Amino acid sequence: EVKLVESGGGLVQPGGSLRLSCATSGFTFSDFYMEWVRQPPGKRLEWIAASRNKANDYTTEYSASVKGRFIVSRDTSQSILYLQMNALRAEDTAIYYCARNWDGFDVWGAGTTVTVSS
Amino acid sequence: NIVMTQSPKSMSMSVGERVTLSCKASENVGTYVSWYQQKPEQSPKLLIYGASNRYTGVPDRFTGSGSATDFTLTISSVQAEDLADYHCGQSYSYRTFGGGTKLEIK
Repeated sequence: EVKLVESGGGLVQPGGSLRLSCATSGFTFSDFYMEWVRQPPGKRLEWIAASRNKANDYTTEYSASVKGRFIVSRDTSQSILYLQMNALRAEDTAIYYCARNWDGFDVWGAGTTVTVSS
Repeated sequence: NIVMTQSPKSMSMSVGERVTLSCKASENVGTYVSWYQQKPEQSPKLLIYGASNRYTGVPDRFTGSGSATDFTLTISSVQAEDLADYHCGQSYSYRTFGGGTKLEIK
């Protein structure tokens, strides 16, 4: 069974850092683009970061809203996707989902909630 | 950034009715459009990819169509379990999503 399980969310103060993890299983991790999508309360889904597959050298892309603050990476030995989030702002408050990209986001995790507040 | 605009924002339909949801792109995205269903308190699920391809296991009452800037998701005969938010997304130029349509069942 293909599974994605996010963890690492929580309450953090503005300016703080958090690292999210996405543990994957049931598929060949290196074959797929893996991406992060967030959903602020009451707002639309927002794509924020992508890690391309091994064939594309695991290169990364970011949305303008997080570029320079967030870093996406992989532990290929454990099939885990990470999102390092720095300089967090109130507007980063959201549910964060990791998703597998196959021609559309075909598998999603349940999400982990990040709240940025003092 | 390509802007995806969905309409209507919400709709209330009776079981058995035909439902048509619209998604318009601010520029030509070919057929790089997907549709997602998000039930309350759940993560999104892929329904349609490549504008018109039904994902594995998706009931055939869900049909996607369109190309370039205009896309439609049709539910031929809506069921009670279709209560959800529906999102379109484009992957032509990175990824953006529409604002969603909330489908309520009368």
